[in-house]
Amino acid sequence: DAKTTQPTSMDCAEGRAANLPCNHSTISGNEYVYWYRQIHSQGPQYIIHGLKNNETNEMASLIITEDRKSSTLILPHATLRDTAVYYCIVRVQGAQKLVFGQGTRLTINP
Amino acid sequence: DAGVIQSPRHEVTEMGQEVTLRCKPISGHNSLFWYRQTMMRGLELLIYFNNNVPIDDSGMPEDRFSAKMPNASFSTLKIQPSEPRDSAVYFCASSLRGIGTEAFFGQGTRLTVV
Repeated sequence: DAKTTQPTSMDCAEGRAANLPCNHSTISGNEYVYWYRQIHSQGPQYIIHGLKNNETNEMASLIITEDRKSSTLILPHATLRDTAVYYCIVRVQGAQKLVFGQGTRLTINP
Repeated sequence: DAGVIQSPRHEVTEMGQEVTLRCKPISGHNSLFWYRQTMMRGLELLIYFNNNVPIDDSGMPEDRFSAKMPNASFSTLKIQPSEPRDSAVYFCASSLRGIGTEAFFGQGTRLTVV
């Protein structure tokens, strides 16, 4: 699976959009981008995934660049409950292994 | 569905003792994963099963660790003998194989070996 690079930490004001970047410059054509988050003391939670088109669900939006070498997770209206570690993962569709990196620690400030 | 259920939530044991962690996956899911999380190493995949069969155990740290899945609704992770460096939070996760790849995680078992 391709390696990802994320900032160690980020801050965002409550009510604003939180934009979390991820670099995956060695991604292959059949590898998807997944995002999970882990709120303190809980198990990781799936957020969204995509291949090359932008994706949106009730939790977030995923923007993938045309060359697929980077992506951005967008939380449109961040709340205090969105404070968590966010993991960007790339993996082949159908592959079972989810390999987590260090993630980005996002802090939402009141 | 109650989600992935792990027990116990907390376990404190003495070095050298056997420890058994338990997991009940979401009904109907056919893939099960065991992870370990520490501050130093983050989230590490230990082993995963498809249809109750171990597929990849390359993440199991050493022979002291073993995992079983006797049926589709139950799995155990055993450490024998336990050592202080095994102290960590152990997560179990399950998913449907081949139909999307969203994995659902349990709340974890916090293991402390003294």
